[in-house]
Amino acid sequence: AQTVTQSQPEMSVQEAETVTLSCTYDTSENNYYLFWYKQPPSRQMILVIRQEAYKQQNATENRFSVNFQKAAKSFSLKISDSQLGDTAMYFCAFMKRKNSGTYKYIFGTGTRLKVLA
Amino acid sequence: GAGVSQSPSNKVTEKGKDVELRCDPISGHTALYWYRQSLGQGLEFLIYFQGNSAPDKSGLPSDRFSAERTGGSVSTLTIQRTQQEDSAVYLCASSVTSGAPETQYFGPGTRLLVL
Repeated sequence: AQTVTQSQPEMSVQEAETVTLSCTYDTSENNYYLFWYKQPPSRQMILVIRQEAYKQQNATENRFSVNFQKAAKSFSLKISDSQLGDTAMYFCAFMKRKNSGTYKYIFGTGTRLKVLA
Repeated sequence: GAGVSQSPSNKVTEKGKDVELRCDPISGHTALYWYRQSLGQGLEFLIYFQGNSAPDKSGLPSDRFSAERTGGSVSTLTIQRTQQEDSAVYLCASSVTSGAPETQYFGPGTRLLVL
């Protein structure tokens, strides 16, 4: 069975600094997708970044980038130039397509990030 | 355009009562998911609807939980005879089935408190 592990329950970073959130997963699949979602206090989950496992190039979205190490089954999120609005819970998620054609998602337990002024 | 909406945003109920939670997906999204988020936990998958196919109910924790999706759009999650351990935030998400079906769009959730 697939699992997703986020080993950092809480982290903090000074405004304008860089922070890296870790995520590891366990799967025997070769084709899958990985995601980072952000959940601010408003509870609205927002997609931050996604990575297709077949792509070797790390995904980047403005200040957000990932370090995808497929062999090590690691998918860390780097936030550069942290802003106060980045304060939120961050969830790492794994998705694979099942034989039935449906999708299975597994989420980690989250990392609570606080950006300090 | 409008995102995923959920109602009510908060619900307080007494143990043993039934509750209904509603999800309105993004128009045109054929896939719909329900998750439960307990305090300090990640998202626990409950049920998945994909078009007219039979739903994937493998995540429902007990037979007190059920969900339906009428007309391929609005979905209702029903919890019968609620228990205190049912207290959680219930999140709904939807996605398309072509292009980028892998990406889910979430609603703001319903916070359920069972007293």
